Amino acid sequence: AQKVTQAQTEISVVEKEDVTLDCVYETRDTTYYLFWYKQPPSGELVFLIRRNSFDEQNEISGRYSWNFQKSTSSFNFTITASQVVDSAVYFCALSDGYNFNKFYFGSGTKLNVKP
Amino acid sequence: SAVISQKPSRDICQRGTSLTIQCQVDSQVTMMFWYRQQPGQSLTLIATANQGSEATYESGFVIDKFPISRPNLTFSTLTVSNMSPEDSSIYLCSVRHSSYEQYFGPGTRLTVT
Repeated sequence: AQKVTQAQTEISVVEKEDVTLDCVYETRDTTYYLFWYKQPPSGELVFLIRRNSFDEQNEISGRYSWNFQKSTSSFNFTITASQVVDSAVYFCALSDGYNFNKFYFGSGTKLNVKP
Repeated sequence: SAVISQKPSRDICQRGTSLTIQCQVDSQVTMMFWYRQQPGQSLTLIATANQGSEATYESGFVIDKFPISRPNLTFSTLTVSNMSPEDSSIYLCSVRHSSYEQYFGPGTRLTVT
């Protein structure tokens, strides 16, 4: 069965600190996709990144970076030099390998960035 | 990406009534999805809506409680029927992008009293 675990319920950091959000997934599929979404207080989910199971290259986009390791079934998200605007709930998600339409979301990590 | 709008953005409803939520997309999409996010919780898929066919419901969700319409490729509605306080949630629609990610609407915040 597919499952996504985000063990960190809530994290608080001070602005300019680096922070890593953990995501561990379970699947028996060989082909699957992993995603990160941001949900600011306004409530709308914002797509951040997609990674397929065959691409283990790490990705960097500005202050954001993602570390995908199949060996540990992890897809962690790091924010460098955090800012107050990064405060949000972040969700990691996994798509079903047979039905890519079905998403399995983790429970989310609430990030509080204090000035 | 797709631009998705939902109506209403929020509502307060009385127990036993029904609310219909609309989802409009700015481009034609084959599949639309409806999710529920209970307070402080993650997202749970309610159903997948294809144009021209019956919606496919996930375990724990039934058509009588959450009827869905999909009259064309840019529009869908979700009705929450015979509401109870347990239905208080954010309801989100989403569409699948060609590259597998899903894009979400702003959500409808429903409070049932």
